[in-house]
Amino acid sequence: AQSVTQLDSQVPVFEEAPVELRCNYSSSVSVYLFWYVQYPNQGLQLLLKYLSGSTLVKGINGFEAEFNKSQTSFHLRKPSVHISDTAEYFCAVTRTGSARQLTFGSGTQLTVLP
Amino acid sequence: KAGVTQTPRYLIKTRGQQVTLSCSPISGHRSVSWYQQTPGQGLQFLFEYFSETQRNKGNFPGRFSGRQFSNSRSEMNVSTLELGDSALYLCASSPGVMERGEQYFGPGTRLTVT
Repeated sequence: AQSVTQLDSQVPVFEEAPVELRCNYSSSVSVYLFWYVQYPNQGLQLLLKYLSGSTLVKGINGFEAEFNKSQTSFHLRKPSVHISDTAEYFCAVTRTGSARQLTFGSGTQLTVLP
Repeated sequence: KAGVTQTPRYLIKTRGQQVTLSCSPISGHRSVSWYQQTPGQGLQFLFEYFSETQRNKGNFPGRFSGRQFSNSRSEMNVSTLELGDSALYLCASSPGVMERGEQYFGPGTRLTVT
């Protein structure tokens, strides 16, 4: 089985500052890793994914994440946030070969302050 | 291409009743997964259907069931509703065959049990 730990439940940050949302996972098998964003009263939107290859993956809206196999981490970063980035962010994992059963972390509420 | 649609968007039911939620996947997608989102338990996988067959099932009681039709549309049913079933129910679709793990989520159905 897989598990995901998002280390921060809430992250406040000022506009135009950099941000890092932390995610650690546990799995005994190979995995795919994802970051999703959820705006109020909406579903989940995929920000980026790691499937294989380069450990630095770039996503939409200027976000990027780095897969670190030795530390079993997949932290999400953005160099300069905007007010519109205020949302809840979820890290998710699935084992390769069963890509339609996601295990999610508990979420991180990112609040961008003016 | 139209996204994943879910109906209804909001629903209020009474304890003991049953409810049926509907999900229409992206055209051409054959896999539909369902997730429950609550403040206490977060996002949890319910089940996944592919070509009208349930392929994966999460750890939920038998009151939760689903099915998929030949056009890939899916329904989930919850019988004998309990207060704890109040949640946002999210549907996600993916091509289902040898894809790289990406799921596309609908806006969800907000179920309130009173």
